[in-house]
Amino acid sequence: DAGVIQSPRHEVTEMGQEVTLRCKPISGHNSLFWYRQTMMRGLELLIYFNNNVPIDDSGMPEDRFSAKMPNASFSTLKIQPSEPRDSAVYFCASSWTSAVELFFGEGSRLTVL
Amino acid sequence: QKEVEQNSGPLSVPEGAIASLNCTYSDRGSQSFFWYRQYSGKSPELIMSIYSNGDKEDGRFTAQLNKASQYVSLLIRDSQPSDSATYLCAVLGFKAAGNKLTFGGGTRVLVKP
Repeated sequence: DAGVIQSPRHEVTEMGQEVTLRCKPISGHNSLFWYRQTMMRGLELLIYFNNNVPIDDSGMPEDRFSAKMPNASFSTLKIQPSEPRDSAVYFCASSWTSAVELFFGEGSRLTVL
Repeated sequence: QKEVEQNSGPLSVPEGAIASLNCTYSDRGSQSFFWYRQYSGKSPELIMSIYSNGDKEDGRFTAQLNKASQYVSLLIRDSQPSDSATYLCAVLGFKAAGNKLTFGGGTRVLVKP
């Protein structure tokens, strides 16, 4: 079975540019999570969806960040405009519900110059 | 105070010895606890879950939970070089906005042959 699929795996962009990260969860999972990982702050929950509905976006840093889940098989995390401090690895994860094992994608490593 | 705290390490362990990792959490209402392993450059993967006080064993891994003291631990017996990784403690809190899985900063474990 295919796991959680994220794209792009690596993104290098310049400050001020728009960045869109994509995620395809495991088929049948109804919860989807976006995490950000940095050395300084560790793994932080940005937002999670249950049945395509955003449940908790309190971790979204600021208005520059937005996330959508138009259907059960696709989600995007957008940063506009990007800043150097957004440089991190962004992980998407999915699960059957929000209370059980999370399956992580391989991550998208973002570098903002 | 961080919601989930771990010693960042590195915890250096000789091959064949027991590695002991600790984690404390602040939300007394938390009910579910997880240990994830993350190899360098890879995504986290679940290795243990524990929901009630006491010990839970799975192969060479034992998770221990003490809700009264608000700590979770992980023991790795007969440590192998392949156990060298960062171990993330995760705690599930039940909020009005929805369940939220919060990760600690991770403990880096180095198993030396």
